[in-house]
Amino acid sequence: DTAVSQTPKYLVTQMGNDKSIKCEQNLGHDTMYWYKQDSKKFLKIMFSYNNKELIINETVPNRFSPKSPDKAHLNLHINSLELGDSAVYFCASSHPPLAGGGTDTQYFGPGTRLTVL
Amino acid sequence: QKEVEQNSGPLSVPEGAIASLNCTYSDRVSQSFFWYRQYSGKSPELIMSIYSNGDKEDGRFTAQLNKASQYVSLLIRDSQPSDSATYLCAVRSYGNNRLAFGKGNQVVVIP
Repeated sequence: DTAVSQTPKYLVTQMGNDKSIKCEQNLGHDTMYWYKQDSKKFLKIMFSYNNKELIINETVPNRFSPKSPDKAHLNLHINSLELGDSAVYFCASSHPPLAGGGTDTQYFGPGTRLTVL
Repeated sequence: QKEVEQNSGPLSVPEGAIASLNCTYSDRVSQSFFWYRQYSGKSPELIMSIYSNGDKEDGRFTAQLNKASQYVSLLIRDSQPSDSATYLCAVRSYGNNRLAFGKGNQVVVIP
């Protein structure tokens, strides 16, 4: 029944390791997102894919690489993890925004709390 | 100037009172406006969306949008302890998939 799901929920790892977070949505949305929420609770967009195509790529280190095998899945791979990568990562999905608005609500997954030691 | 600004909190309100949250945004062509509620340790969940100037009511929540003044507000009537959470204002500009969030306002409803 879960609309947007993420795995794992918690991830604790050492500096320098490589890790992946997976996201799946069953809402039939074409657009998916990755957000980072830091310790001050500020939620910031990292990437967005529309129908498997990258459409938003904010200023994010290239150690972060999103991959969308199909429009229902958007995974995030992080290489050479650093202490500053510790945060909660949220996946979200929505319909593409229309000119008149009204259908572009973003629905969030439960989050993945990443702790880098 | 930050894209989306929310006045600092936390906001403490007695149970049954009205909580009022404000949000201003910088991009004049902003088109979609959202209020999300986030409980501690949980993900943001949509409370209200608003696209046109004026008021939009949904139960105890009312969103107000004024595009000329570039602000959007959220009123919570008859505040309940279960309303204690952080409220995030989010704004999307025309033709842009990107949603810009404010830093959030923490609301504490005191029984």
